[in-house]
Amino acid sequence: AQSVTQLDSHVSVSEGTPVLLRCNYSSSYSPSLFWYVQHPNKGLQLLLKYTSAATLVKGINGFEAEFKKSETSFHLTKPSAHMSDAAEYFCVVSDRRGSTLGRLYFGRGTQLTVWP
Amino acid sequence: GAGVSQTPSNKVTEKGKYVELRCDPISGHTALYWYRQSLGQGPEFLIYFQGTGAADDSGLPNDRFFAVRPEGSVSTLKIQRTERGDSAVYLCASSWGWQGVTGELFFGEGSRLTVL
Repeated sequence: AQSVTQLDSHVSVSEGTPVLLRCNYSSSYSPSLFWYVQHPNKGLQLLLKYTSAATLVKGINGFEAEFKKSETSFHLTKPSAHMSDAAEYFCVVSDRRGSTLGRLYFGRGTQLTVWP
Repeated sequence: GAGVSQTPSNKVTEKGKYVELRCDPISGHTALYWYRQSLGQGPEFLIYFQGTGAADDSGLPNDRFFAVRPEGSVSTLKIQRTERGDSAVYLCASSWGWQGVTGELFFGEGSRLTVL
């Protein structure tokens, strides 16, 4: 079975400080992993994706994530937060084999607040 | 516009009524998806269309829910005999191909359904 656990429902940081949003996944097969971002009154937008190439993945707006199979983790990081990063972030897993091939499973989301 | 368009953006209805939610995908996208996002949860898969046919409708919660895409473009999600538990944001997304291949879905802003 596929599932995603986002370990924090809310994260608050000051502008200019690092961001860490934690995600653990469960997958029966080799997963594809994604982070999506949702700004207020906007549609979900793909931030970055891991599909079995390099384990360190770079996305838009300076975000990156590292796939760690031994820890079943795919944490999202950014060295320096900006006010415009305030949004809700979703970790997503997709199996690349099996009966649920291709279906996306979303975590519950982490609300990121950035203080000036 | 160039993005996924969903109407209405907000719908308030009474328990037992019939509701239709419309999605206009990005032009040329062959794949279309419906997801449902309940309060405090991540989006959950409902149904996936490839062209005119429903390739996977296993996420529909029960037979009160039905979706169509008669010409392979616009889709309508239909909910009969609405219940208070149907209250959620219904998200539509489209993509060039199967979500599991690229992971990149283009989401609309959603239709917020409230059942009183």
